[in-house]
Parts: sequence; C-alpha cells; structure tokens
Amino acid sequence: DAGITQSPRHKVTETGTPVTLRCHQTENHRYMYWYRQDPGHGLRLIHYSYGVKDTDKGEVSDGYSVSRSKTEDFLLTLESATSSQTSVYFCAISQREVGNSPLHFGNGTRLTVT
Amino acid sequence: TQLLEQSPQFLSIQEGENLTVYCNSSSVFSSLQWYRQEPGEGPVLLVTVVTGGEVKKLKRLTFQFGDARKDSSLHITAAQPGDTGLYLCAGHRNRDDKIIFGKGTRLHILP
Repeated sequence: DAGITQSPRHKVTETGTPVTLRCHQTENHRYMYWYRQDPGHGLRLIHYSYGVKDTDKGEVSDGYSVSRSKTEDFLLTLESATSSQTSVYFCAISQREVGNSPLHFGNGTRLTVT
Repeated sequence: TQLLEQSPQFLSIQEGENLTVYCNSSSVFSSLQWYRQEPGEGPVLLVTVVTGGEVKKLKRLTFQFGDARKDSSLHITAAQPGDTGLYLCAGHRNRDDKIIFGKGTRLHILP
C-alpha cells in the first residue's frame, strides 16, 4: 500500500471556524490531490499540486485553499467552514501526471460541520 | 451533467452468481481505471485500460474497454462476499487533461 496518512481521521467543527486537514506521503510522488466524496456526487477534485509550492484549482475549489511547502505534505484549509463542506475528504498521490499514472488514495477524513 | 454514468447504482446478489456493471460516457477517454472502495477506506486501483477493445482479467474479474473508448464494463464471475464494495470507474479525458469519476456501483454479495 502506498504510504499516505491523512489526519485527523474524524473531525467535528462549528460553522465559521477554520479547519486544516493534512496529507502526508512517504512515496516521494510529485503529484498530490484533494478530493471530496459525497452521496450522489461521487469523487470531486478540490485542488491539486504538481510540485512544491505549485498548486491549481479543481472543479469544486470555492471555500478551500491548499499549501505544499514540502514534497511529502499537502494541506487543505477551509477558511470558514460551512455545513455544505460536511463530507469525506480524500487525499491522493500519483507518480506522474494524471492519466499516465494511477491514483493512490489515503483512507479519508470525515468532516462534520455543525 | 454526469459525464461518466455507472449502472446499476446498487446491486445485491447471491454468492456464486455472475454480474456485470457498466461505465458509459459520450466522451472519449485516453484511459479508464476501475477502483474498489470499502467502508472507511480510500479507493484502491483494480485495473487501467488504455486501448479500445482491450480486455483485462484479474482472477474472477474481467474488464473491457469499449472500441470507441467511451465505455467500459466490469464482469465478475461467481461473486463472493469479499467482492462487496463500491466500484468506481474513472476516465482520463485528453482534451482537457481531467480525470472524471463516476458515482459508483455499490455491490453487495449475500453469503
């Protein structure tokens, strides 16, 4: 299994509070991704990174920001959490650019915004 | 608009039966991947298909990529309770370099 650790695994927070989710990899893969998974929507890309300090938006990036200061860490921040951001968040990594390399996923963070 | 339609959404069958799940689109994909996801875990890659008409086998699982690279199927022979899970297809669309995920087929094999 690819070495991907997401933390925390579960979090409950209140509307309006900032939240940071962490993804840590030990594979030295260049590409890292944040997805959210919701019933009826499947997996949707939030942001991705193609190298240290190189990030770009996915299809559902509003309300989220990311940072990648080291190869191994990719942080997802909800600046002011809303109930619509209640979801399961998955980090994924790939060795090469998307389409040329499979995605390896972490085990997810279940976030509840009350 | 759902760009990758998976069917059926849910399937519950008895152990030992055969089944097929489908992944269809109007878009052409340069490659298509199938993942399986179990509760509380992330998706795990089963297979990648890249050539139109390609067939790949993984023990009792047979994956096929359509000739036009717009659709794919997963056939399971003699299903077992261990096959239970959410099956996701994901296509890589060349024209905009995006990975598109289907919503998944939730499979439950009854012992």
